[in-house]
Amino acid sequence: GAGVSQTPSNKVTEKGKYVELRCDPISGHTALYWYRQSLGQGPEFLIYFQGTGAADDSGLPNDRFFAVRPEGSVSTLKIQRTERGDSAVYLCASSPTPGGRTQYFGPGTRLTVL
Amino acid sequence: EDQVTQSPEALRLQEGESSSLNCSYTVSGLRGLFWYRQDPGKGPEFLFTLYSAGEEKEKERLKATLTKKESFLHITAPKPEDSATYLCAVQAGRDDKIIFGKGTRLHILP
Repeated sequence: GAGVSQTPSNKVTEKGKYVELRCDPISGHTALYWYRQSLGQGPEFLIYFQGTGAADDSGLPNDRFFAVRPEGSVSTLKIQRTERGDSAVYLCASSPTPGGRTQYFGPGTRLTVL
Repeated sequence: EDQVTQSPEALRLQEGESSSLNCSYTVSGLRGLFWYRQDPGKGPEFLFTLYSAGEEKEKERLKATLTKKESFLHITAPKPEDSATYLCAVQAGRDDKIIFGKGTRLHILP
């Protein structure tokens, strides 16, 4: 069956620009997580959705980062006024159970801020 | 603050040479410890969840164990296709967030 998909696979932008990263979870999965992964590091938690609501957004680094999941399926991570330090791979994962004990990851979006 | 530390950072083994990867954690109220495998350019792939000390799980050449302070991923007679980064993660307390370690890069030489 179809796994988690993320678009675009690569995004190059200039400092100060706005970007949107999209995640399509596995159909029927209610839990959705966003992570950020820098080279040589493990994934860093950003935000967790259970259904349409953000159950835990404690990992968002600052108010330039925002995520939505309006219909409880597709999610969009939005980054305003991008900075070079935002460059990383952004990973999305979905889970069939609340709390996300077993997570299925997408391939990630590689964001490069010039 | 909850922490996950993995060792070694990198490990090179000959094909067939068994070894173990370590994940030590400092958390309040462990709810679950997870092992993932990550290949270059791909997202992590789920391997195991362990919930309580003494628990063990196996999958092919991999076996994960859990104590109150650490988890081990034992690799028996590895093959070159087992080469990957192995990530450990925890969920603790009332938090739903998952905290990952930095991973162990495993390279199996043919």
